[in-house]
Amino acid sequence: ETGVTQTPRHLVMGMTNKKSLKCEQHLGHNAMYWYKQSAKKPLELMFVYSLEERVENNSVPSRFSPECPNSSHLFLHLHTLQPEDSALYLCASSQDREAFFGQGTRLTVV
Amino acid sequence: DQQVKQNSPSLSVQEGRISILNCDYTNSMFDYFLWYKKYPAEGPTFLISISSIKDKNEDGRFTVFLNKSAKHLSLHIVPSQPGDSAVYFCAAPYPNSGGSNYKLTFGKGTLLTVNP
Repeated sequence: ETGVTQTPRHLVMGMTNKKSLKCEQHLGHNAMYWYKQSAKKPLELMFVYSLEERVENNSVPSRFSPECPNSSHLFLHLHTLQPEDSALYLCASSQDREAFFGQGTRLTVV
Repeated sequence: DQQVKQNSPSLSVQEGRISILNCDYTNSMFDYFLWYKKYPAEGPTFLISISSIKDKNEDGRFTVFLNKSAKHLSLHIVPSQPGDSAVYFCAAPYPNSGGSNYKLTFGKGTLLTVNP
């Protein structure tokens, strides 16, 4: 139990589907993050929320849409994805410089 | 621009021997570093950290060394165990826009295999 829970763990979706990834943290942290890990690439920061406000958006395509309704929950809404978006999507939370990660959602776009 | 670099994609060692994982960085403003361990299909888990005011931090079998002049850090695992087989990421935090929190920049990772 890492304190950061992601659902679902695995997701297969077609390019015309709409789906959402969910993240919940039980650590009382004030920042939450979405990272993407593709094969043979470093972990890429996608979005940062601090105190429920989006403070970073690292040139992520608009087919990825984050939502942070409160400090404990973070969503990543997906629509019209491409096969190259297939990756491991990781949620993290932090209060200071150390981030705690969820187990990730393995996304496959077909 | 890759500010944190792990130039060895893989490392293989025998059980009981020392594993040395290396990391280089380019941003002299970095003042804190973390190592994460990651098993397949799981999220990274925090392993050990070091502040730039130190040159060494030890936690059990794990020791991290920092050489600020060379902008280099290394993680030593001794003795290595088969359960240590995983991908190890070096990371450095720097402030978010607005400065209220930090975000981590990661190296590409090194796959460590410890053979029985």
